[in-house]
Amino acid sequence: SQQGEEDPQALSIQEGENATMNCSYKTSINNLQWYRQNSGRGLVHLILIRSNEREKHSGRLRVTLDTSKKSSSLLITASRAADTASYFCATDVGQGAQKLVFGQGTRLTINP
Amino acid sequence: SQTIHQWPATLVQPVGSPLSLECTVEGTSNPNLYWYRQAAGRGLQLLFYSVGIGQISSEVPQNLSASRPQDRQFILSSKKLLLSDSGFYLCAWSATLGLNSPLHFGNGTRLTVT
Repeated sequence: SQQGEEDPQALSIQEGENATMNCSYKTSINNLQWYRQNSGRGLVHLILIRSNEREKHSGRLRVTLDTSKKSSSLLITASRAADTASYFCATDVGQGAQKLVFGQGTRLTINP
Repeated sequence: SQTIHQWPATLVQPVGSPLSLECTVEGTSNPNLYWYRQAAGRGLQLLFYSVGIGQISSEVPQNLSASRPQDRQFILSSKKLLLSDSGFYLCAWSATLGLNSPLHFGNGTRLTVT
C-alpha cells in the first residue's frame, strides 16, 4: 500500500524561481526522507528529517515536517536547469522500521 | 568509501526465460539490502529486503525471488519471466540499526520482457 504521496505530480517553472513539492503520509514515522532521480538513473538521497524535527536545510534545499498533519514539503530555492529531475519522499514503516516506502514522485522541470 | 554495483544495466529477455540480477556492496559490513522495482513514470515498489545473510523478507507475492548468499551480495531471480516483470530494478543498501540512515542506490537494471 502507498504510504507517501507527492503533490503535484508534475511541476514546471522558470529557472531562478522557487519550487515547492509536498508529501503526505498515512501512518506514524520515525523519519522522512527526500530523494532525487535523474531520468534512467538510481535515486540519490537529499535530506533525512526525523520525526522530532520541524525544519532542515541543506544548501538550496529546505524541508519541513508537520507530524500533526502527516505532511512534509521540499523547497528548492533559486532553481537551476540541473535541478530537473523527479523527487520522491519516503517514510520508514514496518517492524523495526527496516523498510522505506516511496511515494509516486513529483516530476520537476526547470525551463531555462 | 562505500559503493554499490548493480548489473547488467539493460536486459532484454523473452517470456518464460530465467532471470538473475546481481547487486554487490563494497566498503561496509552487514548492510540492509533492498530490491525495488519502478514502472515507467511511477514510484518505487519494494520487492524484497534483507537484514542479514539468508534472511529475506518478501513484500509482494510474485514469481520473483531473492537470495543473499554473502553479506554484501543480493540476487534477484526468476525461473520464468512474465511480460509484467518488465521494469526498472533498483538495488539499494542502508546501514544497520533501522532506517535512521539513507538508502544508497545502484544505477538500476532496465529489464524488458518480450
